[in-house]
Amino acid sequence: DAMVIQNPRYQVTQFGKPVTLSCSQTLNHNVMYWYQQKSSQAPKLLFHYYDKDFNNEADTPDNFQSRRPNTSFCFLDIRSPGLGDAAMYLCATSINPLADTQYFGPGTRLTVL
Amino acid sequence: AQSVTQPDIHITVSEGASLELRCNYSYGATPYLFWYVQSPGQGLQLLLKYFSGDTLVQGIKGFEAEFKRSQSSFNLRKPSVHWSDAAEYFCAVGPSGNTGKLIFGQGTTLQVKP
Repeated sequence: DAMVIQNPRYQVTQFGKPVTLSCSQTLNHNVMYWYQQKSSQAPKLLFHYYDKDFNNEADTPDNFQSRRPNTSFCFLDIRSPGLGDAAMYLCATSINPLADTQYFGPGTRLTVL
Repeated sequence: AQSVTQPDIHITVSEGASLELRCNYSYGATPYLFWYVQSPGQGLQLLLKYFSGDTLVQGIKGFEAEFKRSQSSFNLRKPSVHWSDAAEYFCAVGPSGNTGKLIFGQGTTLQVKP
């Protein structure tokens, strides 16, 4: 089945230690998104890639970076995680960026010690 | 400003009872509307969407939603709730801004009593 896969499902890191979260998709969609979702809150868009074009949300901290080496993979890098970055990180894909249906992965739960 | 309001943070219903989750939006044009469901520790699964056409939309798992332009609402309904429906439900609207992102409501947590 075509799908969005996130690895790992659970990630524990130390305060200030860089961490990378991975997302892959078999849907061959043009757009890949990264959302941050804190407990009992709505998902918050961090950024997205439309093909190779990177689009950062205005309020996304510089601490968060992303890479998309090819159509299938997208990475979220947190350069110096703080306690406030503990959250669920959701990857999603869509065919085009204009509010086409977004398909979500299962998420990575990040814990910062 | 574009926004989505889900007035009910938490709802409890008995298994077999009917369900309605409310969603109100503020949007300058005809919106695209979505309902997603999220089980604990999981990603979001699309239940249904409205882009245009028939204002009553059928989705998966027996859910439906009705777009009412005059009331700026897109309420989610199910005639008979199952225990497995217990989850968090998010309403979303788009596109927003130059990136076409979705705006999510704060979510409604559904608890199902046996």
